[in-house]
Amino acid sequence: QKEVEQDPGPLSVPEGAIVSLNCTYSNSAFQYFMWYRQYSRKGPELLMYTYSSGNKEDGRFTAQVDKSSKYISLFIRDSQPSDSATYLCAIGTGTASKLTFGTGTRLQVTL
Amino acid sequence: EAQVTQNPRYLITVTGKKLTVTCSQNMNHEYMSWYRQDPGLGLRQIYYSMNVEVTDKGDVPEGYKVSRKEKRNFPLILESPSPNQTSLYFCASSSRAVQETQYFGPGTRLLVL
Repeated sequence: QKEVEQDPGPLSVPEGAIVSLNCTYSNSAFQYFMWYRQYSRKGPELLMYTYSSGNKEDGRFTAQVDKSSKYISLFIRDSQPSDSATYLCAIGTGTASKLTFGTGTRLQVTL
Repeated sequence: EAQVTQNPRYLITVTGKKLTVTCSQNMNHEYMSWYRQDPGLGLRQIYYSMNVEVTDKGDVPEGYKVSRKEKRNFPLILESPSPNQTSLYFCASSSRAVQETQYFGPGTRLLVL
């Protein structure tokens, strides 16, 4: 079993839709939860970062963590074509630079 | 502008020919890492460094070497590249204060024939 599981997609939604992206993890030692966005031919860039269960909101993006279920989600409201990218969840234990990434979900937002 | 730079961005080489991919950051970060990204496997850490002269293996270190002689630079060395090292490579850096928020370079696409 992989430490972090993420559906690769692709996921195609119309502009304006609410998008839900999810990851599950197996190790309860994970403490830090991140979402990265990666555009084609670019490096990943950090979108959201949280270390506690519950919701964290930033503009159109909401990160949700449920430690009891070992489940994390990223919601995108009012999705735009510019949101078309691959979204990677990343989970950390708090030790030096040790992150475990999901394989990424490719999202396409169509006009 | 805060950034992580990598060179070269694209490289085609042949089996056994030593190569180095450079990585440099201008944010005075202590931590630097190298990852490879492969379809279906995601990002996997190759090596990381917590500071100058301090390096350690990640999840897939075989066939790679690194060095950290200066804080800003963290080169990745393939002494004898093989076709299974064909991949997309990313360098990343982060500060000691928030280790998990890593800043990634633009990537180096390597093809080993």
